[in-house]
Amino acid sequence: GAVVSQHPSRVICKSGTSVKIECRSLDFQATTMFWYRQFPKQSLMLMATSNEGSKATYEQGVEKDKFLINHASLTLSTLTVTSAHPEDSSFYICSARLTGEPYEQYFGPGTRLTVT
Amino acid sequence: AQKVTQAQTEISVVEKEDVTLDCVYETRDTTYYLFWYKQPPSGELVFLIRRNSFDEQNEISGRYSWNFQKSTSSFNFTITASQVVDSAVYFCALRAPSGSARQLTFGSGTQLTVLP
Repeated sequence: GAVVSQHPSRVICKSGTSVKIECRSLDFQATTMFWYRQFPKQSLMLMATSNEGSKATYEQGVEKDKFLINHASLTLSTLTVTSAHPEDSSFYICSARLTGEPYEQYFGPGTRLTVT
Repeated sequence: AQKVTQAQTEISVVEKEDVTLDCVYETRDTTYYLFWYKQPPSGELVFLIRRNSFDEQNEISGRYSWNFQKSTSSFNFTITASQVVDSAVYFCALRAPSGSARQLTFGSGTQLTVLP
């Protein structure tokens, strides 16, 4: 099956710094990628939909200036958490979707962000 | 609007017991896909099954089986002879054309604990 990687798997940063998380589709091209955030004991919450070569579409309540998404190629999307604060600590999961029915979606292993 | 309800927040069983995880969904679309994912403590989502709305045939895969009932909008998941390694959070998800960008809508998840 298709493989999606995320880097880093874990990151600890200080409050006020920025962190970049990479999401790569390793063996397929993905026009569309998704970014999710998951707090402990909660479900996945969609943050934004990232389309290659265009601006990301953010879900209601997600600050686009804080969570910068770039999808510069068909195999790479990045999420940058700017000026991170402790409340941004969470598990971030990306997924990449194939084009065409059934629009199969493959998930990365996640990145655990801790802001101290 | 799409909605997925997993009413069981936590379930605890003893090894070798059978357990059923419930999933009820809402969508106005006639064509849609239903999914089950497993999320072990490592955090990575593991795909278990995808079911097309036109295929109501129940499916069995080893100790896993799924019961899809369109009449009650349910897609329940049964683990037979549970094992400790089955302990995880299980998510039911729905994808329908009317959903934005054909994104997945996740239920809140069911934490399954299998005791030795």
